[in-house]
Amino acid sequence: RKEVEQDPGPFNVPEGATVAFNCTYSNSASQSFFWYRQDCRKEPKLLMSVYSSGNEDGRFTAQLNRASQYISLLIRDSKLSDSATYLCVVYNFNKFYFGSGTKLNVKP
Amino acid sequence: NAGVTQTPKFQVLKTGQSMTLQCAQDMNHNSMYWYRQDPGMGLRLIYYSASEGTTDKGEVPNGYNVSRLNKREFSLRLESAAPSQTSVYFCASSEDGRYSNQPQHFGDGTRLSIL
Repeated sequence: RKEVEQDPGPFNVPEGATVAFNCTYSNSASQSFFWYRQDCRKEPKLLMSVYSSGNEDGRFTAQLNRASQYISLLIRDSKLSDSATYLCVVYNFNKFYFGSGTKLNVKP
Repeated sequence: NAGVTQTPKFQVLKTGQSMTLQCAQDMNHNSMYWYRQDPGMGLRLIYYSASEGTTDKGEVPNGYNVSRLNKREFSLRLESAAPSQTSVYFCASSEDGRYSNQPQHFGDGTRLSIL
């Protein structure tokens, strides 16, 4: 079983829509959680860390459910510039584990 | 701010040739990592270094060697390149890999093709 699993998508949404991605992880002892954004052929860039109580950064909200071992990312009022691949990242025991990413296409 | 710098950005090799990918960070991070990313796949860890003087294998270490030259620099060497090593290679660093909650910062990648 993979350490981190994500729906690859693509999610095709119109501008202004709300879209949510989920990610599941296998190791219940995982310590930290992150969402990264990766544009085509570019390096991953940190979007936000995910805290136990949930956290928000502008239009982006991240949630962690330790009991069910999943992380979510909610994007409100989608912009064309949000089109990218979103990577779920889980840290445990000195290593970061990456999901394969969920592709988002925001259409005019 | 430079952050994580990788060289070269592009390279084409012939099968059997050797080369070293260079990575340097200026954030005083303890931990450094090398990943490869193949089309349609996630990042796979090749090797990592939790601190200066230590290195450990990741998920896909075969065919690679690494050197943590000092706190700033972490190089990846292909001794005898194979077409299966055609990929995009990313170097990353984090403040302290042992104690979690600090994210990684990535270089902008090396695109390597092996013919």
